[in-house]
Amino acid sequence: EAGVVQSPRYKIIEKKQPVAFWCNPISGHNTLYWYRQNLGQGPELLIRYENEEAVDDSQLPKDRFSAERLKGVDSTLKIQPAELGDSAVYLCASSLQVNSGANVLTFGAGSRLTVL
Amino acid sequence: GENVEQHPSTLSVQEGDSAVIKCTYSDSASNYFPWYKQELGKRPQLIIDIRSNVGEKKDQRIAVTLNKTAKHFSLHITETQPEDSAVYFCAASIRGYQKVTFGIGTKLQVIP
Repeated sequence: EAGVVQSPRYKIIEKKQPVAFWCNPISGHNTLYWYRQNLGQGPELLIRYENEEAVDDSQLPKDRFSAERLKGVDSTLKIQPAELGDSAVYLCASSLQVNSGANVLTFGAGSRLTVL
Repeated sequence: GENVEQHPSTLSVQEGDSAVIKCTYSDSASNYFPWYKQELGKRPQLIIDIRSNVGEKKDQRIAVTLNKTAKHFSLHITETQPEDSAVYFCAASIRGYQKVTFGIGTKLQVIP
């Protein structure tokens, strides 16, 4: 089991440039999350998918951020254009609701974005 | 929506001492409370969790307590070791509803 796979691990871009992050969740996990983690802060939810449907995107800055989850598996998070304040680690996580209902998230290694 | 507050933001203890991290939540419907540990440069990983029908849960040197009435829960680490040094995040969610809200984290430093 490869776990949650994210790429790229690191990305440095200049402001106003576009950037995209990719996530492959654990096989069979129907829920996929994108979190943003600023330095010294906890993960903040950007968007949550149940299968291919975005069920919670209230915290996604829709003027510059977009996401998709094709066929309910892989997901891509895009920023266009990037701003200085977007520098952060973008964490992807997936979960499978078990009978107990516990929402156990498995995180990927993250994609660290630096906007210059 | 749910709001999770966590304190302290940093905590230094001597090796062998105990460490306690406290969190409060706002949504009385929340009924599942996981704790994640994030070592420097690594991904958050679940270390222990508790459901609202349980007041306390223990796993070796770590334990979590939950007070539903007061809407707060705590992580207790006993006999701390240098490898316990990390950032710890509490979180709250509603079972069956997959939204998970995290606290801001506590950076724990265990001094040898």
